[in-house]
Amino acid sequence: GNSVTQMEGPVTLSEEAFLTINCTYTATGYPSLFWYVQYPGEGLQLLLKATKADDKGSNKGFEATYRKETTSFHLEKGSVQVSDSAVYFCALTSNTGGGNKLTFGTGTQLKVEL
Amino acid sequence: DARVTQTPRHKVTEMGQEVTMRCQPILGHNTVFWYRQTMMQGLELLAYFRNRAPLDDSGMPKDRFSAEMPDATLATLKIQPSEPRDSAVYFCASATSVGPNQPQHFGDGTRLSIL
Repeated sequence: GNSVTQMEGPVTLSEEAFLTINCTYTATGYPSLFWYVQYPGEGLQLLLKATKADDKGSNKGFEATYRKETTSFHLEKGSVQVSDSAVYFCALTSNTGGGNKLTFGTGTQLKVEL
Repeated sequence: DARVTQTPRHKVTEMGQEVTMRCQPILGHNTVFWYRQTMMQGLELLAYFRNRAPLDDSGMPKDRFSAEMPDATLATLKIQPSEPRDSAVYFCASATSVGPNQPQHFGDGTRLSIL
C-alpha cells in the first residue's frame, strides 16, 4: 500500500537558517506528491505539489523536487522566518483504486526563533 | 478566496450525546472528505463523497459514525452515541474533481471534546 515517511520533529531553527524536511514515500502506480502546511488552530493548506518525476514544486520560497529514483520529495527553504513556524505534512495520491485519497506523513513541526 | 466552512468550531459535550458536525464545501467542488486528527493517530481519512455519493467510508466506525451529503452545499458527520475516545479535531476538505492532481482545500476544523 501507499505510505509516507517524514523526519521526526520538532525542528528548531534560527531565523534566516536553511530548512530541509525529509520525506520519502512508497506507492503503487505514479503518485502525485504534495506538501501541506498547518498553522496553529487552522486546517491544512496546500503549499506546493509535483505531479511527475523531476518536477519541482515551489511556493513562498519553499521548494521540493520529485525524485523517483530515491522516492523522495524533500522540502527546502533557503531562509526561514518566524512566520514559517507550523506543522508541515508530506502527502501523496496515487490514481489506483479510484479517487484521489491523500496519504499523509505524520507531520513535522517547525519552530523558528529570532 | 473561497473557503471550506465548518461549524461548529468547538464542541464540548458529555459522552452518550449525539454530535453533528457540518461542512460547506467550496462552491463547485464535487468531492468532499472527512478527516480526524489526533496526537496519537495523526490525520485519518474517515470518508469521502463524490457528487454527494459515498465513495469510501472504510475509515469510519460504522456503529456510531455516519456521514451524509443532503445537498451539494452541505456535508454532515454525526456521532451517536459519542464516546471520550472520539475527542479530536475533525476536518472537512473539498476538491474540484476526483483525480490525483487536484489539491484538497481544508476547513479550519471542529474541535470536539467528549467528557
